[in-house]
Amino acid sequence: DQQVKQNSPSLSVQEGRISILNCDYTNSMFDYFLWYKKYPAEGPTFLISISSIKDKNEDGRFTVFLNKSAKHLSLHIVPSQPGDSAVYFCAASGIGGNQFYFGTGTSLTVIP
Amino acid sequence: EAGVAQSPRYKIIEKRQSVAFWCNPISGHATLYWYQQILGQGPKLLIQFQNNGVVDDSQLPKDRFSAERLKGVDSTLKIQPAKLEDSAVYLCASSLDPGNQPQHFGDGTRLSIL
Repeated sequence: DQQVKQNSPSLSVQEGRISILNCDYTNSMFDYFLWYKKYPAEGPTFLISISSIKDKNEDGRFTVFLNKSAKHLSLHIVPSQPGDSAVYFCAASGIGGNQFYFGTGTSLTVIP
Repeated sequence: EAGVAQSPRYKIIEKRQSVAFWCNPISGHATLYWYQQILGQGPKLLIQFQNNGVVDDSQLPKDRFSAERLKGVDSTLKIQPAKLEDSAVYLCASSLDPGNQPQHFGDGTRLSIL
């Protein structure tokens, strides 16, 4: 049973525009959410996180939004750069954070 | 700060053979994780260690997979005997403690079963 879902396998965006990656989850006990970025032949790299007590967290060009009632989070990248081209995974964990559940990933291509 | 180190990077074996992977976490990280990532899927947790004790191995196929973390630092993951469906990337990650903080991943071992 997939508790974290990324329904868009791929996304293409022009350089300089906004990239919006979406993630849905089913478990209302999840209280910590993260985004990871993965380049080919490398491990996932932590990008940004958000706790369920917040609805927004920013770090430079990256902003994560959390809508708890809809069980939905999104990652906004503004402005998008060619170096942002990678696979993005969202992940979620419950209280205590012992197990992280990952989505299937969205492949982002930023076109120069 | 040195990252999570894993070896080998690639391994090709025949089904029914055995294989072992090694992981060295970030210095000082008490929590270590092994994940399996099958092509087109997200990483799936196999086992979590806190120091040298197992916290969660509920998704580890214990009839063929085993893992240990002697002395609470390095860890090895073994598969014996391997099946075709074990073809995947095996990722090791570590964090300072369990709980709500990021896990830092190594580059993984890509395993191909012939």
